[in-house]
Order: sequence, then C-alpha cells, then structure tokens
Amino acid sequence: EVQLVESGGGLVQPGGSLRLSCAASGFIFSDHYMDWVRQAPGKGLEWVGLTKHKTASYSTEYAASVKGRFTISRDGSNNLLYLQMNSLKTEDTAVYYCGNWRAGRPYWGQGTLVTVSS
Amino acid sequence: DIQMTQSPSTLSASVGDRVTITCRASQSINTWLAWYQQKPGKAPKVLIYKASTLESGVPSRFSGSGSGTEFTLTISSLQPDDFATYYCQQYNSFSYTFGQGTKLEIK
Repeated sequence: EVQLVESGGGLVQPGGSLRLSCAASGFIFSDHYMDWVRQAPGKGLEWVGLTKHKTASYSTEYAASVKGRFTISRDGSNNLLYLQMNSLKTEDTAVYYCGNWRAGRPYWGQGTLVTVSS
Repeated sequence: DIQMTQSPSTLSASVGDRVTITCRASQSINTWLAWYQQKPGKAPKVLIYKASTLESGVPSRFSGSGSGTEFTLTISSLQPDDFATYYCQQYNSFSYTFGQGTKLEIK
C-alpha cells in the first residue's frame, strides 16, 4: 500500500526558509515521479513542482510562482522527498501535499500546513 | 502552461440527480486527466485517472470521459456523501495544472 506522510510545516516569517519532508513507502521510490501540490486557505489546488524518476536523473520541474525559491530533492536511502522553501512570502501560506505518480495514477498524502506570517 | 477551465464553478443539485462537470484544456492533453473530490479540511481524493479509469473503491455512479481538450465527470445519481468540491488536473505536460474547482451544493 502506498503511503505518503508529510511533515515539517509550521509558522515562519516572511523572507524565511522552511524544509518540508515526505516519507514514502509501499513502492520503489526511485522508479516514480514525485511532486508537491499546495492549497491556500479557501482556495483551489496549485501544482508546485516535481522530481522525475531515476531514469530521468531525478530532474525537476517547477511552477513559475515558486521557481528560483523552492527546491525539490530526494533521499533515496531513506525514501524521503523534500521541499526546500526559501524567500517565503505570505502568499505561500498553504497546506502542502506530497504526491506520487504510478502508471498514470496519482497518490496523495494528507498534507502539512505552512503559515508565513510576521 | 496548459490552462484548465472547469465549469460550472458552483452546481446546485438534489439527491438522485444526474450531474455533469466539464473540464476544457487549452491544448490537447490526450487522456492525461484526473478528477478529485475534496471535502472541507480533507486531502483531495482521487476519483478518476487517465480520463476514464475509476479509482479502486470509488462507487460506479462516478464516471469520466473525454480526450484531447474536453472532458466530463458524471455522477449518475447523487448521494448525500457526494456534496463536495471537485477538481480536474492535467498531467500531460508541466506544469500539472488544475481546474479552478466545482462546488457541488445541495439544492
């Protein structure tokens, strides 16, 4: 069974940094795309970015709204996905979900809340 | 980026009704489309992927169709548990964009 468990959310000041983690289990971590999606309070879903599988050298793609500020990486030894968020803005306040794509089917975690406020 | 236009934004319906939600892509996405259901305070739940494949455990009253640029999610007979917000998402090309959502309300 695929399981994705996010952690690391919390309160951070504007301009600050935060790193989210996603613990993955139930599948071969290196074989699949992994992504992050977020949802601001009362708003819709926004795709944040993705890291491809090992065959594609774990290359990354980002939404324009976070490119240059956010970085997605993996720890393959521990099946962990990361989202390093720098230069945070109040509009980055959201629940962040970790996702996995297997054979064209998405899987999601339960999310972790990030609040950017002074 | 591919734009996803979902309609309607709000839909009022009654238990037992048949309802359809539409999602249009700004360019062809083949059948790389997923539908999600979300209830307040919960993570989105996958209903349909690859445009028409029903996720395991999802009731058969849900169905998806379409290819290219136009897609539909149909609920054949609304049940009380179905009142929620629904989103489409394309995953043909980056960014994996979402529709703006459809809130399904009780009439």
